[in-house]
Amino acid sequence: GENVEQHPSTLSVQEGDSAVIKCTYSDSASNYFPWYKQELGKRPQLIIDIRSNVGEKKDQRIAVTLNKTAKHFSLHITETQPEDSAVYFCAASIQGGSYIPTFGRGTSLIVHP
Amino acid sequence: DGGITQSPKYLFRKEGQNVTLSCEQNLNHDAMYWYRQDPGQGLRLIYYSQIVNDFQKGDIAEGYSVSREKKESFPLTVTSAQKNPTAFYLCASSIGTVANEQFFGPGTRLTVL
Repeated sequence: GENVEQHPSTLSVQEGDSAVIKCTYSDSASNYFPWYKQELGKRPQLIIDIRSNVGEKKDQRIAVTLNKTAKHFSLHITETQPEDSAVYFCAASIQGGSYIPTFGRGTSLIVHP
Repeated sequence: DGGITQSPKYLFRKEGQNVTLSCEQNLNHDAMYWYRQDPGQGLRLIYYSQIVNDFQKGDIAEGYSVSREKKESFPLTVTSAQKNPTAFYLCASSIGTVANEQFFGPGTRLTVL
């Protein structure tokens, strides 16, 4: 089955800095890679996703890059703000058949004012 | 926050008792999922269902049971066979077998006394 590794487990940055979270996956057939943000005490919510036919996707201060050859993908947050503080989860899955995403263990991002 | 709901928010159980967690969605989604969240463990899949009257075991199904009698509802029963049931439980739904965004409920925190 798929295995997703996520690093770092904790990331502490100053407001305005950039933050990068990296994930690797094992199954080369995986082709859908979402990122979820979970604020303290709240539900996870999708913030951005990427499919294997593109290498990069941006949405304002958030971007995701995908390297299919190396089987890794990364979340980039620029100009971090205190409200970016949360746990971020990556996931990988195969489109078609059973859609069962495999999640990474999460990264706790702390943005200091 | 509409769409997918869970109840109760907090649940306390004595050892040896079964307890049922509710999950309801009005998104007309075919697929529903149950996850268990423990600190540092990410989201671990307990059960999933892709269609009414059908469900499959996830990675940690032992000590849990589910039913899917209606499209909108996917209750989870934590049985006395679950050795360490204290955790945060998240229900999710998605359109179906096409790899796409999962929508999460607000979660139920179960504590065994």
